[in-house]
Amino acid sequence: GAVVSQHPSWVICKSGTSVKIECRSLDFQATTMFWYRQFPKQSLMLMATSNEGSKATYEQGVEKDKFLINHASLTLSTLTVTSAHPEDSSFYICSAPTVGRMTEAFFGQGTRLTVV
Amino acid sequence: LAKTTQPISMDSYEGQEVNITCSHNNIATNDYITWYQQFPSQGPRFIIQGYKTKVTNEVASLFIPADRKSSTLSLPRVSLSDTAVYYCLVGPSGNTGKLIFGQGTTLQVKP
Repeated sequence: GAVVSQHPSWVICKSGTSVKIECRSLDFQATTMFWYRQFPKQSLMLMATSNEGSKATYEQGVEKDKFLINHASLTLSTLTVTSAHPEDSSFYICSAPTVGRMTEAFFGQGTRLTVV
Repeated sequence: LAKTTQPISMDSYEGQEVNITCSHNNIATNDYITWYQQFPSQGPRFIIQGYKTKVTNEVASLFIPADRKSSTLSLPRVSLSDTAVYYCLVGPSGNTGKLIFGQGTTLQVKP
């Protein structure tokens, strides 16, 4: 079946630095991918829609200059958390929908970001 | 996208059948009902999707009444490994794949 791979699985960074998270669709092409954030014991919150070859679309309240999204190819989207702060510590998850059944999405394994 | 309401948590014992109900009173004609499972520190995993009546796969069954204002995910004979959060989502097939998650139901299976 379709697989979405996320890297790294976890990362610890110092406050003020930037962190890049990769999301790859391994056996299918994804013109659109989605990025979510999940705080402990909370649900997933959609952050942005990553569009191949064009600008990402951000949900209300999500800072586009802080969470940079690049979707340079049909199989790779990256999320860069710039100037990270402890409050950015969270679980970041990407997803890609399957062609023809757009509510059945495949999710990456998630990236645990800890900013110290 | 239609809003969903689920119980926040449920407890069960190994070997029991678990039924999790989701309310979606504002479901639209072209909306499908999809359930996802999420283990701690993992991304959600698709379980089952349906439009009406009953759908069954190797993991679960999904029961949808005629008015489609609710649905029930049925997990037969749960085991400890079924302890997870279960999310009910409602949305049209053929949309952008943009998924809005509700609070989900935390299922705790006890030995």
